[in-house]
Amino acid sequence: GAVVSQHPSRVICKSGTSVKIECRSLDFQATTMFWYRQFPKQSLMLMATSNEGSKATYEQGVEKDKFLINHASLTLSTLTVTSAHPEDSSFYICSAREVEGYEKLFFGSGTQLSVL
Amino acid sequence: QKEVEQNSGPLSVPEGAIASLNCTYSDRVSQSFFWYRQYSGKSPELIMSIYSNGDKEDGRFTAQLNKASQYVSLLIRDSQPSDSATYLCAVNNHRGNQGGKLIFGQGTELSVKP
Repeated sequence: GAVVSQHPSRVICKSGTSVKIECRSLDFQATTMFWYRQFPKQSLMLMATSNEGSKATYEQGVEKDKFLINHASLTLSTLTVTSAHPEDSSFYICSAREVEGYEKLFFGSGTQLSVL
Repeated sequence: QKEVEQNSGPLSVPEGAIASLNCTYSDRVSQSFFWYRQYSGKSPELIMSIYSNGDKEDGRFTAQLNKASQYVSLLIRDSQPSDSATYLCAVNNHRGNQGGKLIFGQGTELSVKP
């Protein structure tokens, strides 16, 4: 199956700093990538839909100025958590949809963010 | 009402038994349904997809869909301890590769006891 690479896998940062998470589709082109957040024992909550070359579409309640998404190419999307606070600590997962595939999503390995 | 609902569990079954996982969804126009397995600290992996009413079998897994009842289930036959994980039901209301987004249920934790 298609491979989606997500980095870093784990990051610990101080409150107030910004953290960038990268999501790359390694062997296919992804016009659409999705960013999810998952708190312990809870489901994946969709944060935003990222389309190559256009602005991301954010879900209700997600602050677009805090969670900056850039999808500059067909193989790379980034999520930047700006001025992170302890309540932003969570498991962040990206997923990508193939350009010509069915609507199957391929998930990255996730990033565990811990804000001290 | 949540868009996709699952019992959080935990569901405990003995090794070799059939595990039955259930999911209901609220949007009648939903057309695509998926079951993902997620191990602790890992990202989800796709197990089954189903698009039309009825049963779909793949190895030890059977997905069942009833659009009239807005219900989708996953059966795991001959359950193994390695099947112990959280199973996520996901629903997409668009078919094909354009548009749509996956909405996940909260997941059902399955524990298979040796």
